[in-house]
Amino acid sequence: QVHLQESGPGLVKPLETLSLTCGVSGFSISTGYCWDWVRQSPGKGLEWIGSIHYSGTTYANPSLKSRLTISLDTSRNQFSLKLSSVMAADTAMYYCARRTNFYYDSSSYLTGGYFDLWGRGTLVTVSS
Amino acid sequence: NFMLTQPHSVSESPGKTVTISCTGSSGSIASNFVQWYLQRPGSAPTTIIYHDDQRPSGVPDRFSGSVDRSSNSASLTISGLKTEDEADYYCQSYDSNNVIFGGGTKLTVL
Repeated sequence: QVHLQESGPGLVKPLETLSLTCGVSGFSISTGYCWDWVRQSPGKGLEWIGSIHYSGTTYANPSLKSRLTISLDTSRNQFSLKLSSVMAADTAMYYCARRTNFYYDSSSYLTGGYFDLWGRGTLVTVSS
Repeated sequence: NFMLTQPHSVSESPGKTVTISCTGSSGSIASNFVQWYLQRPGSAPTTIIYHDDQRPSGVPDRFSGSVDRSSNSASLTISGLKTEDEADYYCQSYDSNNVIFGGGTKLTVL
């Protein structure tokens, strides 16, 4: 059975870097799937943050791209999120998720698929 | 930028059927697959429909999805409503390499 578990500080100061890790058990992340981050501000909807293909190719929400780093750590079977220069608007529940059934379309865009597994989420508050 | 618009809330009685719409802002929503997620308070989302009309194993057939090219919209239909269906529902699709979520619809079963 595959499980995803987010971990990281629950409180980050403004202008610092938010760092989260998603530990994966039951499956080797270097052998398949895309591994994504999704967040949800309090009382708001879901927002896609970004994705990393098991090959290491990354994709980012254009609104976050300049501040975002997503990476794989295959030795620890986990993937990570770093979001720099955080602001109060980055306060949210952060979820990691596994994307399956994706493919590359005729324009070589990564598309299709769905999030078949989610972590339970971790709340990150940005405050001094 | 491509956006997905959902009604903020819908309500219906137990045993009835409800449909939640998801309208694309431009182009054709049928150009990319649409997914639907259910989220109960305090829990992570779960997939109930993927690739327009496919149900993951374990999702009851009371849940169905469709796409209407003429209206550039997707729909989630839930029949035989149960009180446990009360939750937030999100549609999701793609635009280039990006994942796009709708704003979510709160379903009240009363």
